[in-house]
Parts: sequence; C-alpha cells; structure tokens
Amino acid sequence: DAGVIQSPRHEVTEMGQEVTLRCKPISGHDYLFWYRQTMMRGLELLIYFNNNVPIDDSGMPEDRFSAKMPNASFSTLKIQPSEPRDSAVYFCASSLGRYKNIQYFGAGTRLSVL
Amino acid sequence: AQSVTQPDIHITVSEGASLELRCNYSYGATPYLFWYVQSPGQGLQLLLKYFSGDTLVQGIKGFEAEFKRSQSSFNLRKPSVHWSDAAEYFCAVGALTTGTASKLTFGTGTRLQVTL
Repeated sequence: DAGVIQSPRHEVTEMGQEVTLRCKPISGHDYLFWYRQTMMRGLELLIYFNNNVPIDDSGMPEDRFSAKMPNASFSTLKIQPSEPRDSAVYFCASSLGRYKNIQYFGAGTRLSVL
Repeated sequence: AQSVTQPDIHITVSEGASLELRCNYSYGATPYLFWYVQSPGQGLQLLLKYFSGDTLVQGIKGFEAEFKRSQSSFNLRKPSVHWSDAAEYFCAVGALTTGTASKLTFGTGTRLQVTL
C-alpha cells in the first residue's frame, strides 16, 4: 500500500487567500484524522471522520477552517481566508477502527502564509 | 481528559550508548499508549504500541518500551543508539471515544541528537 498521501507537500500563500489541503487515506481505513503541528502547540487534533462522517471537530480553531470527506478515499481541509498564524505543518492520518486505532500518518503539508 | 508529559525536550547521546526517553501519562482508565518517531520533513512513524498484556513491548528498529501503571509511565528504550536514530520522538495516549477509534493526545516530543 502507498500509505497516506497528502498534497501538496509545501504550500506558500498570501494572507487572505483560500488554501486547500488534500489527503488520500489508506484504502480500507474507516477513520481519518487531521492534525496541525506547530512549535508552540505541538500536535493538535483538528477533526476526525468515521466512514466519511465528521465525528469530532472540537479542535478546529475557528470558522475559517473547514474539512470534508466526500468519499472514503479523499478528504480536504480548507482555510478561508488564511492568516499568517495558520502557518504550520498539517498532517492527515488514517486508521482501521477495529484494530484498536493504530494511526498511520502522511508526510504532511507545510503551509506558509505570508 | 488525558494528557502526556515528555519531560525532556532535547537529549544528546553518543552512538552506541543506551537511550531512555521518558513519558508520563494521565488517563482515568486503561490507556492505549504509543511511541511515534518523526524524522525531519517526514510524517510520524509508529515505533511501538501498548494495548494490554505484557508490559514490555517490542517495536521496530530495536526499540522497546515498558508500561508501568504504578508510575503512569511508558518509557522508550534502546540498548545501543545508531546515528540514524536522530529524530523527534512522540509519546501518545489513546482514549476510546465513539466507536472503536481513539483520539490520540501527543506529548510535546523529545528531540534526540546522536553524536559520533
């Protein structure tokens, strides 16, 4: 299996622009997680899905952030409008729930908002 | 709510020396515990996990960890460190939530530097 695939690997944008991060989970996995990693706050869980349905979005920082999972093989995390404080590495992870949730991480998207 | 403490932000060891990275957790029930490693510019890779049973668990790359309930600890060890082990190490605790997946709470990480 190719693992969790994230795109793009790097994104540089200007403040106020819309940013869309993409994730393809491991085939057959039924849980998908979005994390944000910063020096100040470490790794934070933003939102997670089960069978394409958002279960817990309590970690989403504000309304500028939204996430969707239109099907089992694709998810997006959108920031609109972006701000410099959104600069971070965003990770996607997936797991197969019944195997006690070992989460497999993608390589991440490094976002820089200027 | 669960929490994880990794008291060492940065550790430097010589190649060939032994290593122990500390992890303390707080959780009201039986925890699921994990160690992940992150190399520069990479995602997190699972080193090992503890769900139940034998409290000494073996992982990849020669790592092991011991779950000590009385101390709320899950320290990571390796008898002989290789230069390629230089990376950031994260301890995480999992909590059962809806269904069978768990939300992972991560520690702040320990950056390991290996000197030759």
